[in-house]
Amino acid sequence: SQELEQSPQSLIVQEGKNLTINCTSSKTLYGLYWYKQKYGEGLIFLMMLQKGGEEKSHEKITAKLDEKKQQSSLHITASQPSHAGIYLCGADMGGDDKIIFGKGTRLHILP
Amino acid sequence: DAMVIQNPRYQVTQFGKPVTLSCSQTLNHNVMYWYQQKSSQAPKLLFHYYDKDFNNEADTPDNFQSRRPNTSFCFLDIRSPGLGDAAMYLCATSRGVKNEKLFFGSGTQLSVL
Repeated sequence: SQELEQSPQSLIVQEGKNLTINCTSSKTLYGLYWYKQKYGEGLIFLMMLQKGGEEKSHEKITAKLDEKKQQSSLHITASQPSHAGIYLCGADMGGDDKIIFGKGTRLHILP
Repeated sequence: DAMVIQNPRYQVTQFGKPVTLSCSQTLNHNVMYWYQQKSSQAPKLLFHYYDKDFNNEADTPDNFQSRRPNTSFCFLDIRSPGLGDAAMYLCATSRGVKNEKLFFGSGTQLSVL
């Protein structure tokens, strides 16, 4: 079973619209990372969240970690073509020294 | 300016023919990782080095080996590639293993004929 579930799997939005991507775990998240991946390329770091209730923003992207530290959301305001790609959440679930990833959400922006 | 460099960008090998993928870093990070990512799947950790200490994931096949001759370089060796090993291989680095973001290379797309 997948330890990190991302939803939706795929998303198509009109340019200028807002959107939200979710990342959910059944376990406590000791560190939650959001990355963006362009098709066929490596992952680019966006943000890291560690504390329950924490929220961070970078340009038009905002990420939040819920108080229970089991769910995170990534919100994009006024989407642009440059936002298109695959968004992956990664998490440190404690114990092992590794980050595991979700399958990603594929975002398409329609002009 | 590239900080984590993977070569080659695309690699084609034949079924059963050994292949080596390389990764180098200019960040002087202690930890280097190898992830395997198949189409539409989550990146899956194969193993990582903390300095010279090798940490293998329990479910990584024996067919996959790794070498880290110095801080800057890390190699992924696939001894006898099968069709199921075709994937994107991602190298990443971090300063430490806790609360540290990973820096990724651009990946090597491996095809097995």
